[in-house]
Amino acid sequence: GNSVTQMEGPVTLSEEAFLTINCTYTATGYPSLFWYVQYPGEGLQLLLKATKADDKGSNKGFEATYRKETTSFHLEKGSVQVSDSAVYFCALTLQGGSEKLVFGKGTKLTVNP
Amino acid sequence: DVKVTQSSRYLVKRTGEKVFLECVQDMDHENMFWYRQDPGLGLRLIYFSYDVKMKEKGDIPEGYSVSREKKERFSLILESASTNQTSMYLCASSLFRDSKNIQYFGAGTRLSVL
Repeated sequence: GNSVTQMEGPVTLSEEAFLTINCTYTATGYPSLFWYVQYPGEGLQLLLKATKADDKGSNKGFEATYRKETTSFHLEKGSVQVSDSAVYFCALTLQGGSEKLVFGKGTKLTVNP
Repeated sequence: DVKVTQSSRYLVKRTGEKVFLECVQDMDHENMFWYRQDPGLGLRLIYFSYDVKMKEKGDIPEGYSVSREKKERFSLILESASTNQTSMYLCASSLFRDSKNIQYFGAGTRLSVL
């Protein structure tokens, strides 16, 4: 089946630290990959996406590269800010297939000043 | 700007009550989704709909039903609420067969069943 595994949290960092949140997937077809972010008290919003191998999605200083050989889509940011504190979800959908998203369990990030 | 609106941010209900959670989107999207979010379990799909009066079960439909009488509105119904349905409920919508397949989420309804 289709599934997403992301690193367990919570993750606590100091401001300006480097962030990596690991995400790997299994898919029966060719997936599109997403990172969604949920700020406290809000719904999810799309952070970035990639639709084919070696594509790099980027937004707000975050990046993730679609690695087909390792079935991974790790999220990185070079210097985190307090305002990045949120829950991050990795997700996939199959291209040409169901409209449904398959989510990982989420990783809570706390950034301290 | 894209908007998905859930009618309540917080709800408190009693065991056995019939509960309606409402979701409205203003983007003319065909697809609408209901998820529940629980700590350590992430988001789990309850039901989704890809057209008016059409619905499909998600991963955890037991104890829930849905209604989609108009394109912009998707309702989640708990026929007889139970304490294990205490959770955060998130609604989302997306364009049908959109190559980007981006889902847009509401702010969520936190339901407590006592």
